[in-house]
Amino acid sequence: ETGVTQSPTHLIKTRGQQVTLRCSSQSGHNTVSWYQQALGQGPQFIFQYYREEENGRGNFPPRFSGLQFPNYSSELNVNALELDDSALYLCASSQVDSGGAATKNIQYFGAGTRLSVL
Amino acid sequence: QKEVEQDPGPLSVPEGAIVSLNCTYSNSAFQYFMWYRQYSRKGPELLMYTYSSGNKEDGRFTAQVDKSSKYISLFIRDSQPSDSATYLCAMSASFQKLVFGTGTRLLVSP
Repeated sequence: ETGVTQSPTHLIKTRGQQVTLRCSSQSGHNTVSWYQQALGQGPQFIFQYYREEENGRGNFPPRFSGLQFPNYSSELNVNALELDDSALYLCASSQVDSGGAATKNIQYFGAGTRLSVL
Repeated sequence: QKEVEQDPGPLSVPEGAIVSLNCTYSNSAFQYFMWYRQYSRKGPELLMYTYSSGNKEDGRFTAQVDKSSKYISLFIRDSQPSDSATYLCAMSASFQKLVFGTGTRLLVSP
């Protein structure tokens, strides 16, 4: 177990709806990254949050947004859901030092939230 | 062309076999290399982490990185049925995004 927890585990939504996914990072970690994993594919980077601000973003539209809270937990919000948004959404936590650098880039993943859009 | 290429398999081997899993990549800026194991409907679990080139061994697992060839490998010795899973290679140039391969599905039969 990594100590990264995600909720809910499963979610079913209809096209056009909005969804919020939640992640609690591992104790001692200050950075959260979100990934989308379609069936049969590797995870794709959505964005990363460090010090409560977005710190890098992948090739995802603005309807994918997020938040990081002072306790380092995070939310992923997706608006105007599309059928192709059906996937496993993974949260990963890591530790970045106060200078904004990391001697290692080890990200620990939660079990994910499986989103189905009908 | 994808930044990271990985054969999706499935790769089927008998118990006790040595397994070789590989990835190639195109971005010469990558310096952090990882292998994750993912069981069905679970999150990826970190197996091996390597910085820059070289070999790293941990129990039955050995990771190799050849930056000159842009090629990384994971070897599993004495494979067990419990090793049956999808193996994902991942790499990055910084502490931000990880770039993953498609994953190779491994099946180890008793």
